[in-house]
Amino acid sequence: QQPVQSPQAVILREGEDAVINCSSSKALYSVHWYRQKHGEAPVFLMILLKGGEQKGHEKISASFNEKKQQSSLYLTASQLSYSGTYFCGTEPRNSGGYQKVTFGIGTKLQVIP
Amino acid sequence: DVKVTQSSRYLVKRTGEKVFLECVQDMDHENMFWYRQDPGLGLRLIYFSYDVKMKEKGDIPEGYSVSREKKERFSLILESASTNQTSMYLCASSFFWGGRGQDTGELFFGEGSRLTVL
Repeated sequence: QQPVQSPQAVILREGEDAVINCSSSKALYSVHWYRQKHGEAPVFLMILLKGGEQKGHEKISASFNEKKQQSSLYLTASQLSYSGTYFCGTEPRNSGGYQKVTFGIGTKLQVIP
Repeated sequence: DVKVTQSSRYLVKRTGEKVFLECVQDMDHENMFWYRQDPGLGLRLIYFSYDVKMKEKGDIPEGYSVSREKKERFSLILESASTNQTSMYLCASSFFWGGRGQDTGELFFGEGSRLTVL
């Protein structure tokens, strides 16, 4: 089952902040975040692991609430280059050693001057 | 630089044709994935593979099969293409950061293959 993302779309002015949320009905091991610009491949932003570990780009921040199976991606002081579609991907706990990443439908973010 | 290459950016096929989508990665990654991307539906997992000749069904495997004869190559096969398989297909690969067991790693995506079935 796909994780649920919100909002589905958001428009920001340069310098404004935004939060994108992701929630799952399953117990999670990790949450991934990717950004896809139009006509390009999705690009890795961050992985948040059960237990609090995070790996990703320094300028990106996110949180993972293991009890609620929710994650949020924080975009601060937005720049035009932040525009794109953001996807969260989730990995369930006890996946049998496989890596199975299920993505949400995406959040389309547009930053305008 | 990491590279995931999908053989065709654009394909047009007719209903009933057999279609092969090829994906090659040059990073010696254990894991490879096929997703399809449709407006309003996001990225949906079709099949994934964690080793040569090993495969697992994803969330929407119906109408598809896969082949992984070599570690670097993962093929998606549409045995008899239908119009509802018109979509953007994305291949990805990854490696586990730690050892085996519950572990993870970032996905590296190819640029996609846009398939139109007439």
